[in-house]
Amino acid sequence: TQLLEQSPQFLSIQEGENLTVYCNSSSVFSSLQWYRQEPGEGPVLLVTVVTGGEVKKLKRLTFQFGDARKDSSLHITAAQPGDTGLYLCAGAPINNAGNMLTFGGGTRLMVKP
Amino acid sequence: DVKVTQSSRYLVKRTGEKVFLECVQDMDHENMFWYRQDPGLGLRLIYFSYDVKMKEKGDIPEGYSVSREKKERFSLILESASTNQTSMYLCASSAPMGRRPPLHFGNGTRLTVT
Repeated sequence: TQLLEQSPQFLSIQEGENLTVYCNSSSVFSSLQWYRQEPGEGPVLLVTVVTGGEVKKLKRLTFQFGDARKDSSLHITAAQPGDTGLYLCAGAPINNAGNMLTFGGGTRLMVKP
Repeated sequence: DVKVTQSSRYLVKRTGEKVFLECVQDMDHENMFWYRQDPGLGLRLIYFSYDVKMKEKGDIPEGYSVSREKKERFSLILESASTNQTSMYLCASSAPMGRRPPLHFGNGTRLTVT
């Protein structure tokens, strides 16, 4: 069982649809990051959230950190083919002395034109 | 922009071979990491280093070792490759963790052990 559970694992939608990806845990995190990975490349940071209840927007992407800092969501409005990729959440557990990041299993998104 | 360069995009090795994966970063970052990525499992930390000649085990260090002789270079070594080490290997670097900095990743090395 992973510390961070992402859902869904796979998502295939049409251009213009909305979607939400979830990242859940029973652990509390001091911060949580979202990365996007495109084929043949390494993950690239999208956002870091650090405060419970925090909402950050990046164009059509909205990220929310749960009030208890145990979960997060990524909502994409009017998805575009360019949003296709693997979305990874990564958290720094609050009880981890080294503050190392632990990654979720990822959500693979395909947006069809 | 930070650049993390992994020496090989694809490698095919035989069981029992010693394998070296090389990673270089150009931003003078203190921290460097090696992850392996497998479908559905996300990224799992193998080893990390927070300074030259320093190394710490991650979540799955068995079968691997690392070397950091210079600040910009972090090498992952598979002492005797096995088929269950077939995977995508990602190197990353970051500034000190206390400031919650992003990880900067290389483009990965896809290793196949036959």
